[in-house]
Amino acid sequence: DIQMTQAPSSLPASLGDRVTITCRASQDIGNYLRWFQQKPGKSPRLMIYGATNLAAGVPSRFSGSRSGSDYSLTISSLESEDMADYYCLQSKESPYTFGAGTKLELK
Amino acid sequence: QVQLKESGPGLVQPSQTLSLTCTVSGFSLTSNSVHWVRQPPGKGLEWVGAIWSGGSTDYNSALKSRLSISRDTSKSQVFLKMNSLQTEDTAIYFCTRLVPGWGQGVMVTVSS
Repeated sequence: DIQMTQAPSSLPASLGDRVTITCRASQDIGNYLRWFQQKPGKSPRLMIYGATNLAAGVPSRFSGSRSGSDYSLTISSLESEDMADYYCLQSKESPYTFGAGTKLELK
Repeated sequence: QVQLKESGPGLVQPSQTLSLTCTVSGFSLTSNSVHWVRQPPGKGLEWVGAIWSGGSTDYNSALKSRLSISRDTSKSQVFLKMNSLQTEDTAIYFCTRLVPGWGQGVMVTVSS
């Protein structure tokens, strides 16, 4: 199975900060990488697909990038509504696998 | 409008079988895959398995010996069956297209 190593597990940040979350794939997954946001008590929400494509309705301060086997989700200027858990998911091959998650919280 | 809704028992006894139903609307099961994802209390997301548009299935490696996913396209329903439940299977179970389109989730507690 493909392993997705996500870091950091917790990210304290201030409003207006630029923050980056990273996932590393254990095998080549091409651009088959999605990012999800999950707020407490809610279902996950797709933010990025195809490693770099913004899902419909997602603010432009979110972006995705790839460097080799490292995939990143960046928020250019943190807003209070962005405080949530974030997960990467590889969909290159079954079984699909999620990263362990990153909790983004106010410093 | 795409909608998915999970239903099933909230409490299951250890060693028993879990049966969940995902009822969908706004899209066709013969053109879209449906996945099951679970989340133990306070923990991360875990991909459980999927049924693809053609009807084939794939499962989480750790769960595949206990898991079965099927569908009834005439009723727009997808089914999950997992046997030999243990307390570690306690989780919120979501059905989803993994694109915009998630159910609200159903909490399943495994306890005697």
